[in-house]
Amino acid sequence: QKEVEQNSGPLSVPEGAIASLNCTYSDRGSQSFFWYRQYSGKSPELIMFIYSNGDKEDGRFTAQLNKASQYVSLLIRDSQPSDSATYLCAVWMGKSTFGDGTTLTVKP
Amino acid sequence: DVKVTQSSRYLVKRTGEKVFLECVQDMDHENMFWYRQDPGLGLRLIYFSYDVKMKEKGDIPEGYSVSREKKERFSLILESASTNQTSMYLCASSLESGSANQPQHFGDGTRLSIL
Repeated sequence: QKEVEQNSGPLSVPEGAIASLNCTYSDRGSQSFFWYRQYSGKSPELIMFIYSNGDKEDGRFTAQLNKASQYVSLLIRDSQPSDSATYLCAVWMGKSTFGDGTTLTVKP
Repeated sequence: DVKVTQSSRYLVKRTGEKVFLECVQDMDHENMFWYRQDPGLGLRLIYFSYDVKMKEKGDIPEGYSVSREKKERFSLILESASTNQTSMYLCASSLESGSANQPQHFGDGTRLSIL
């Protein structure tokens, strides 16, 4: 079992829809959770981070953390073609571990 | 804005060479990281450092070493380059803040080809 697993994708949504990206992790002691966006040929850039159970909203993005179920998700509302990218979930569990990423395509 | 600078964007080396990849950050971050990214394998941690002269092995340290003589600089060394080390290498840095790790800021990456 991978330490950090993301829904395999690719994920395709129409413009204006909600995109839902999911991530599960194996270490119950994990404290910090991050979502990065990576455009093709570019390096990852931070979208959201979350430390506490519940929801955290930033503009069109909402991160949701449920430590009891060991999952963290990212919702993108009103998806735009510019949101088309690979989204990486990262978990700090004494070291930094990334999921393999979910590729999102938003179709105009 | 945090700036993480990797010395080369593209690099071509030969099998058996000793290869140095350099990374410098300008925000006085305590933590620095080296990853490699390969299609289908995601981002994998090679080494990280939480202080000067300190280093910790990541998930795939074999064939690599690191050096952190100054806080702002973290070097990745391929002792004897092999073709299976052809990859995109990414450096990152973050602040240290107790138990809750801070977000990482990435450099632009070095695409290394070993011939």
